Amino acid sequence: EDKVVQSPLSLVVHEGDTVTLNCSYEVTNFRSLLWYKQEKKAPTFLFMLTSSGIEKKSGRLSSILDKKELFSILNITATQTGDSAIYLCAVEKKTSYDKVIFGPGTSLSVIP
Amino acid sequence: NAGVTQTPKFRILKIGQSMTLQCTQDMNHNYMYWYRQDPGMGLKLIYYSVGAGITDKGEVPNGYNVSRSTTEDFPLRLELAAPSQTSVYFCASSYSIYTANYGYTFGSGTRLTVV
Repeated sequence: EDKVVQSPLSLVVHEGDTVTLNCSYEVTNFRSLLWYKQEKKAPTFLFMLTSSGIEKKSGRLSSILDKKELFSILNITATQTGDSAIYLCAVEKKTSYDKVIFGPGTSLSVIP
Repeated sequence: NAGVTQTPKFRILKIGQSMTLQCTQDMNHNYMYWYRQDPGMGLKLIYYSVGAGITDKGEVPNGYNVSRSTTEDFPLRLELAAPSQTSVYFCASSYSIYTANYGYTFGSGTRLTVV
């Protein structure tokens, strides 16, 4: 059975800290891995990763995929209170457009 | 650009009642999806549509129905509400058959409580 696992499930850090969120997957016919940020409402898209070892970067956020180890990390440097959110990892399969499997999310709280 | 609009934002239903969650997108996306999100469980796909007139079941379709008469609208119907349907519901859309480089565009969600 396909699955996406995220760790930790929740995390509390102080402003300025650097955090690493983990996502591992067991999915057949992998196509891409996606990261979303979910604040109070809808998830918003952060990154899509398809190739191993190529870092995607957006401001203080970066992410990388290891297709051999079936693993991705999302790094946030110099965290701010505005980074507080649930971070969702999802894996998209090649074979079917109804198959985007979401992980449970990591709830990040950044305290001043 | 409104993106994906969901209504209502929240609702309380009694067991056995029915309701329709509305979803409209103005991006001319062919692909639309309904997800439910339960605490600690991630997002689970209920139904999806690849174009007007075409819908199919996702992972957790029981207790729900959908229709897609136009490209813009993809309503989700609950016929006999049950407490197990208490959840947050998200509608999403995408341009291509795959998420391409932009992922899905999500609506703001509907928080439904069945009592």
